Amino acid sequence: GESVGLHLPTLSVQEGDNSIINCAYSNSASDYFIWYKQESGKGPQFIIDIRSNMDKRQGQRVTVLLNKTVKHLSLQIAATQPGDSAVYFCAEKGGSGGGADGLTFGKGTHLIIQP
Amino acid sequence: DTAVSQTPKYLVTQMGNDKSIKCEQNLGHDTMYWYKQDSKKFLKIMFSYNNKELIINETVPNRFSPKSPDKAHLNLHINSLELGDSAVYFCASSRSGVTYTEAFFGQGTRLTVV
Repeated sequence: GESVGLHLPTLSVQEGDNSIINCAYSNSASDYFIWYKQESGKGPQFIIDIRSNMDKRQGQRVTVLLNKTVKHLSLQIAATQPGDSAVYFCAEKGGSGGGADGLTFGKGTHLIIQP
Repeated sequence: DTAVSQTPKYLVTQMGNDKSIKCEQNLGHDTMYWYKQDSKKFLKIMFSYNNKELIINETVPNRFSPKSPDKAHLNLHINSLELGDSAVYFCASSRSGVTYTEAFFGQGTRLTVV
């Protein structure tokens, strides 16, 4: 089964509000995590990543938080805009080193921005 | 400039046919992947491949086979297509030998088997 999952399949927020998307993972050996955004008809697009030796990383309007104790990852999007409407995936990568390792994806959360 | 490109974008075919999806990346990456996204949007890796090894997800039927003519291309061949093969297939690439690096995805190929 999946080693990474999301708590909410759909999240609806008002434009301008902040949103938080959550993700739980089960592989304690995972040492690299990525959030992807997938718009309709497109491939997943990188948003932000975090290594396991960090607990927070900030980008432009986005922040990723990592809690290794409870194996939880979250993506915060500040001041949401209509263009933020998409499906968001967390993905993890194991600690076996680089090379041919693929990503393990969670189920995705559909973020809907209400005008 | 498209970093990872797949063709075709849409593919409709009958059961039992054999089809191929092409993928090319111009990022200079050594590792390429194929992922399958089902109707519930779940993404699952099928293959990862670099110039040294092919790693196959054990759940992938042997009707699926990746073919790499060079490190910029990884095509997906599917034999004897079944209804359950209908999905969106994504090609991706990343730098090899680097753990902390994201994968770049193509636009996807929506395969419909009728």
